[in-house]
Amino acid sequence: QKEVEQDPGPLSVPEGAIVSLNCTYSNSAFQYFMWYRQYSRKGPELLMYTYSSGNKEDGRFTAQVDKSSKYISLFIRDSQPSDSATYLCAISANFNKFYFGSGTKLNVKP
Amino acid sequence: NAGVTQTPKFRVLKTGQSMTLLCAQDMNHEYMYWYRQDPGMGLRLIHYSVGEGTTAKGEVPDGYNVSRLKKQNFLLGLESAAPSQTSVYFCASSMTSDQPQHFGDGTRLSIL
Repeated sequence: QKEVEQDPGPLSVPEGAIVSLNCTYSNSAFQYFMWYRQYSRKGPELLMYTYSSGNKEDGRFTAQVDKSSKYISLFIRDSQPSDSATYLCAISANFNKFYFGSGTKLNVKP
Repeated sequence: NAGVTQTPKFRVLKTGQSMTLLCAQDMNHEYMYWYRQDPGMGLRLIHYSVGEGTTAKGEVPDGYNVSRLKKQNFLLGLESAAPSQTSVYFCASSMTSDQPQHFGDGTRLSIL
């Protein structure tokens, strides 16, 4: 079993839609949760970073962690064509080792 | 501020050839990492370094060597390239072990 699972998509939505991206993980010791955005032929860039459970909001982006269900989510409100990218979740217990999801490809249609 | 810079951006090798990928960061970060990214596999850690002069193995270290002679540079070497090493290689760095990583834009390596 992989440490973190992520639906590869692709996920296609119309502009303005609310997007929900999700990852599940297996180890309850994980306590650092990150979301990265990766444009084609570019490196991943950090979007959101949360510690432990709860929600964190940054503009149109909200990261949610449910440790009881071992489930993390990234919500994008008022999605834009510029949000079209691959979104990677990353999880760590102590930051000495990260586990990355395989990424969900998102396409926001104008 | 360039962040994390990787060179070269693209390279084609023949089986058995050797090469070195260079990663440079200008953020004075202690921690540096090399990953490979393959379709459906996500990012997998090859080697990492927690400071100048130190290196450690990651998840998939076989066939690769690394060196961190200067704090700002982290080199990844392939001694005898194999087709299975065809991949996109990413370097990343972080200030401390409890800070997220910043990535370069990758090196696309094809081995024929």
